[in-house]
Amino acid sequence: GENVEQHPSTLSVQEGDSAVIKCTYSDSASNYFPWYKQELGKRPQLIIDIRSNVGEKKDQRIAVTLNKTAKHFSLHITETQPEDSAVYFCAASGAGSYQLTFGKGTKLSVIP
Amino acid sequence: EAGVAQSPRYKIIEKRQSVAFWCNPISGHATLYWYQQILGQGPKLLIQFQNNGVVDDSQLPKDRFSAERLKGVDSTLKIQPAKLEDSAVYLCASSPGQMRETQYFGPGTRLLVL
Repeated sequence: GENVEQHPSTLSVQEGDSAVIKCTYSDSASNYFPWYKQELGKRPQLIIDIRSNVGEKKDQRIAVTLNKTAKHFSLHITETQPEDSAVYFCAASGAGSYQLTFGKGTKLSVIP
Repeated sequence: EAGVAQSPRYKIIEKRQSVAFWCNPISGHATLYWYQQILGQGPKLLIQFQNNGVVDDSQLPKDRFSAERLKGVDSTLKIQPAKLEDSAVYLCASSPGQMRETQYFGPGTRLLVL
């Protein structure tokens, strides 16, 4: 089955700096890669996703890049703000299954 | 649009007791998922329904866990008997299906087994 590795497990940045979280996946047939943000005690919320036919996608301060050859994808957050502090999860879904395999999460702390 | 609803939000039980969780997906969403999220880890899929049929339950510990979605809408997840290692947050998610795979999560049920 699919295996998703996520790094780093914790990340601290100064407010205004950029943050990058990286994930690798094992199944070359995976074709959908969402990122979820989970604040303490709350539900995971989708912040951005990318499909395998696209190399990069941006939404305001958030961007995701995908390298299918290397089987890795990354989340980039620019101009970080304290409200960006949360746990971020990457996930991968195989073709036709719609099942998500999640990484173990990255706890992002943005220091004012 | 109303989100995914779950109840109860919290549950504390003794080991060997039984417990049930309820999920109401977003209206019209054909696909429903139950995940187990242990503290400090990502959600792990337990079971996936498409309408009222099971698509995948390969990671569901069937000796103690069961789930149903009888009318293709609400779903229940049951644990009987519970073990200490079942302490986790149980998340329900739904997606529209039909090639639209974005999953929307409910608030979860936090289970503590003593």
